[in-house]
Amino acid sequence: DVKVTQSSRYLVKRTGEKVFLECVQDMDHENMFWYRQDPGLGLRLIYFSYDVKMKEKGDIPEGYSVSREKKERFSLILESASTNQTSMYLCASRSTGNPKGYGYTFGSGTRLTVV
Amino acid sequence: AQSVTQLGSHVSVSEGALVLLRCNYSSSVPPYLFWYVQYPNQGLQLLLKYTTGATLVKGINGFEAEFKKSETSFHLTKPSAHMSDAAEYFCAVNYNTNAGKSTFGDGTTLTVKP
Repeated sequence: DVKVTQSSRYLVKRTGEKVFLECVQDMDHENMFWYRQDPGLGLRLIYFSYDVKMKEKGDIPEGYSVSREKKERFSLILESASTNQTSMYLCASRSTGNPKGYGYTFGSGTRLTVV
Repeated sequence: AQSVTQLGSHVSVSEGALVLLRCNYSSSVPPYLFWYVQYPNQGLQLLLKYTTGATLVKGINGFEAEFKKSETSFHLTKPSAHMSDAAEYFCAVNYNTNAGKSTFGDGTTLTVKP
């Protein structure tokens, strides 16, 4: 079964720490995405990547950066964590080569708490 | 810009009753439409999708949705709700199949009463 794996389900970090959220997919998908999900605000796109070493800002990139050195791995970096970054973070991937489907495959999410 | 509106952030039905979750999109070109389901403390899972062809699409767990271009709608239905259907449901739209970026609705939480 194809998978998107996020390295941590729950994470607690201190204000000001540099935080790395890792996401790995085993489907050879070109596109990868990072969203955050907050009650009442739905899913908001932080960053996405069309392919290796390519990245674009989403709707709320401030305070975040990303890295995609290999096709299967897309990392989200919180440069200096703040309490307003406490959220559920969802990684997703998508193939551009599948003629039958263009939906996303999501990871299980990382619930990050910044204290 | 593409947008998706889900009418009703919370829907409650009795077990065995019809489930209807509403989704409308804005578009000047044909869209690709999706419904996802999210169970508590999990990621989203693709429920069904419309790309081209038949406007009534069937998904997993007995759900189906109908693409109505004239109404710019893609409502999700299930004839008979089951307790296990309780979850949050998201409608999403993508206009460019190669761009890869979908826009999501705000979600509808479905509660199923015994």
